[in-house]
Amino acid sequence: DVQLVESGGGLVQPGGSLRLSCAASGFTFSLSWMSWVRRAPGRGLEWVATFSEDGSDKFYMDSVKGRFSVSRDNAKSSMYLQMNSLRAEDTAVYYCGKNTFHGADFWGRGTPVTVSS
Amino acid sequence: DVVLTQSPLSLPVTLGQPASISCRSSQSLVHNDGNTYLSWFQQRPGQSPRRLIYKVSNRDSGVPDRFSGSGSGTDFTLKISRVEADDVGVYYCMQGTHWQWTFGQGTKVEIK
Repeated sequence: DVQLVESGGGLVQPGGSLRLSCAASGFTFSLSWMSWVRRAPGRGLEWVATFSEDGSDKFYMDSVKGRFSVSRDNAKSSMYLQMNSLRAEDTAVYYCGKNTFHGADFWGRGTPVTVSS
Repeated sequence: DVVLTQSPLSLPVTLGQPASISCRSSQSLVHNDGNTYLSWFQQRPGQSPRRLIYKVSNRDSGVPDRFSGSGSGTDFTLKISRVEADDVGVYYCMQGTHWQWTFGQGTKVEIK
């Protein structure tokens, strides 16, 4: 069975950094494009980033460009979201997803991030 | 950026009755490769998102056939032929044609 397990969320002060991880199993991770999306409290889903099987192609939403960075370790079937210069508006539950047909067909349970002083 | 506008934003429905959600795009979602990458997602309360439909009208594995998607270009629709209690949640359209990918605002489906 496909499994995606996010970790690394927590409480961080504005301007701080956090690194989220996503551990994948049950599919060929090294052949899959992957994505991060988030859902802020009281708001809808928001696409954050998507990147290619080997990590050479990366795409980000405008509001996180230059602050967030995605990476992956195919040997460990894991992917990461490095979040720097965090703002209150980055507060959300972050989900990792496995992509097919330009959208994620499977999502993890999410990890909450709270940016507050 | 592509803006997806869903309507209605709130949809009270009677069990067993049909329901329909519209998603309109600010620009054509036909990709250079000829495909239209418009998906529909369901998010039940307290759960992860779940994709129901990809490329406008293709149901994902395990999705009941009472869910169907249609449309082309800039106008798309998700239909539930007979609403069940399990269908309560927020439904989103999402385009994967143009970077940045974008979601609609979401439509909250509840039982009357």
